[in-house]
Amino acid sequence: EPEVTQTPSHQVTQMGQEVILRCVPISNHLYFYWYRQILGQKVEFLVSFYNNEISEKSEIFDDQFSVERPDGSNFTLKIRSTKLEDSAMYFCASSEEGGISNQPQHFGDGTRLSIL
Amino acid sequence: DAKTTQPPSMDCAEGRAANLPCNHSTISGNEYVYWYRQIHSQGPQYIIHGLKNNETNEMASLIITEDRKSSTLILPHATLRDTAVYYCIVTLGGNAGNMLTFGGGTRLMVKP
Repeated sequence: EPEVTQTPSHQVTQMGQEVILRCVPISNHLYFYWYRQILGQKVEFLVSFYNNEISEKSEIFDDQFSVERPDGSNFTLKIRSTKLEDSAMYFCASSEEGGISNQPQHFGDGTRLSIL
Repeated sequence: DAKTTQPPSMDCAEGRAANLPCNHSTISGNEYVYWYRQIHSQGPQYIIHGLKNNETNEMASLIITEDRKSSTLILPHATLRDTAVYYCIVTLGGNAGNMLTFGGGTRLMVKP
């Protein structure tokens, strides 16, 4: 069964450094998402992306964050200058075109980001 | 904020049916009910979704009340591997890449 893959599984970075988290969505999917989960807390939406632009973003997704689909397969989340509070699991998700019925989002297993 | 209410935890005996309730009394006519689960720290796993009718797939059944104000996820024969946090989420349908708002979910513990 096709799946969303994320790399790396664990990223350790010094505070203030830039980090890029990578995702390969399911191949025929057109909508892409990033969520995060701080340890012990709820899964929180960050951003959705469709047709090479951001569809929706949350208050968390400030100017430090950016997303990109650099080629036909990868979807990346960049954090420009990391802070300690950016430490979390970051999940990528993708979904098909909805058509007349809603299509579920399928999640990867996440990247654990640890900021030192 | 999440538009759903779920019990924080439930237990179920292995091999028995697990019935997980969810209240969504403010659901609107074009909102779907989705169920996901999260096993330990893995990514949320899609289980099932529905609009008005009851739905069944290889993983579970979804029963939605006629007034759509509540639903129940049924795992017909729970196994130890079904121990997870289960999330009931309501979200708009259609083509938009709609965000999912996760609440606290129900922590289901399947016991031998």
